[in-house]
Amino acid sequence: GAGVSQSPSNKVTEKGKDVELRCDPISGHTALYWYRQSLGQGLEFLIYFQGNSAPDKSGLPSDRFSAERTGGSVSTLTIQRTQQEDSAVYLCASGPGLVRYNEQFFGPGTRLTVL
Amino acid sequence: AQSVTQLGSHVSVSEGALVLLRCNYSSSVPPYLFWYVQYPNQGLQLLLKYTTGATLVKGINGFEAEFKKSETSFHLTKPSAHMSDAAEYFCAVSVGDSNYQLIWGAGTKLIIKP
Repeated sequence: GAGVSQSPSNKVTEKGKDVELRCDPISGHTALYWYRQSLGQGLEFLIYFQGNSAPDKSGLPSDRFSAERTGGSVSTLTIQRTQQEDSAVYLCASGPGLVRYNEQFFGPGTRLTVL
Repeated sequence: AQSVTQLGSHVSVSEGALVLLRCNYSSSVPPYLFWYVQYPNQGLQLLLKYTTGATLVKGINGFEAEFKKSETSFHLTKPSAHMSDAAEYFCAVSVGDSNYQLIWGAGTKLIIKP
């Protein structure tokens, strides 16, 4: 079956512009996660959704970051007024539910470059 | 706070040699432990995980890991490296009754020498 997909695969933008990153999870997966991966760093948790709800947004680095999920499916991560330090690979993962031992299934990521 | 430490940002081994990637965690409660692999320009995929029961866990592609509570370790091994094993490997831990998050190590890039 289809895996997690993300679009665009690459995004180059100018400082100060807004960007939207999209994630299509595996059908039927209720849990959805966003991570940020900077060069040489591990994964930084940003936010998770259970259905359309995001109970914990504390991982978002600043109020320029926001995310939503509609219909329990597609999710969009929006970064407003992008800064150079936002440059990273943004990974989305989905899972069958918020259970500690569940595997997370990852998309290929969106590489964001802020000039 | 929980943390995961992967010793060595880069590990280089010869093809056919033993692979050992180290992972240590800090947790005051029994953890669930994971190893993920990331091939170039791809997302992460699960190699193996420890939840409960047998402490030696076997995963895909001939990898295995052993949970050692006394050493707070979950090192990843493979008896004989293949060129196709070249990738970045991430250790992660999930702790807490209601903690949905994985705490990630910084990753170890495995380099295979011909």
